[in-house]
Amino acid sequence: GAGVSQSPSNKVTEKGKDVELRCDPISGHTALYWYRQRLGQGLEFLIYFQGNSAPDKSGLPSDRFSAERTGESVSTLTIQRTQQEDSAVYLCASSSGGQGFQFPHFGDGTRLSIL
Amino acid sequence: DQQVKQNSPSLSVQEGRISILNCDYTNSMFDYFLWYKKYPAEGPTFLISISSIKDKNEDGRFTVFLNKSAKHLSLHIVPSQPGDSAVYFCAASTGNQFYFGTGTSLTVIP
Repeated sequence: GAGVSQSPSNKVTEKGKDVELRCDPISGHTALYWYRQRLGQGLEFLIYFQGNSAPDKSGLPSDRFSAERTGESVSTLTIQRTQQEDSAVYLCASSSGGQGFQFPHFGDGTRLSIL
Repeated sequence: DQQVKQNSPSLSVQEGRISILNCDYTNSMFDYFLWYKKYPAEGPTFLISISSIKDKNEDGRFTVFLNKSAKHLSLHIVPSQPGDSAVYFCAASTGNQFYFGTGTSLTVIP
C-alpha cells in the first residue's frame, strides 16, 4: 500500500529483552516521527528525523531507547532491556518535510506488551 | 511540559446535534493547528487544519475555530453522526515539529 507501514503490529516480550520496531514511511517522505501512546494517555513525542539525521531526540525517555533511519527510508526504534512501563502503542508518522505545511501521516502502530 | 491540552477526556452527543471539541495551547509560536481522528487499533488520521493567520476553516461537516488571543481552538462537527465516534487529537506545529494533546473520546448516540 501507499501508507506508512509498521511491523510487527503486535509484540509480546519478557521484561529485560530487547525489541526492534520497524517503520516504512510513505515513499519520498523525508520527515519521520516516532510517538508513543500509553494506555489512556495521549501521543508522546519520542524522536523526529529529517532525512537520516535526528535534529530532535528530546522525547526519548531514557538511554535504553534509540532510533536510526537509513536511506531516508526505513526507521528502526530499538528498546533495550525492556521494562513493564515500556508497554504502549508505538506510532510512526511521516510527512514530505518540504516547504510549507505538510501534515504527518500515521501508521497503525506496534502494540508492545512487556510481561 | 504539555504544550497542547485537551481538558475533556470524553464527550457524548446525540446524533444530529453539534459536537464541540476544545483544545488549549501555550506556545504562541505555533504556526499550524490540526485535528486528527483515531479509531481503536488504527493510527490517527488527519481531519482538518488551520493556519495561525486564520480564525476559521471549514470542510464539510467539520469546522475548526482558532482564537489566538485566548490560545484556544475548537472543532465543531455538525450534524454529528454515529460514525464520528472516535478519539480526537488536537495538535500544533512549529516547523516540522508536531505536539499532540491527550485526546477527547467522542461518542455519538444514535
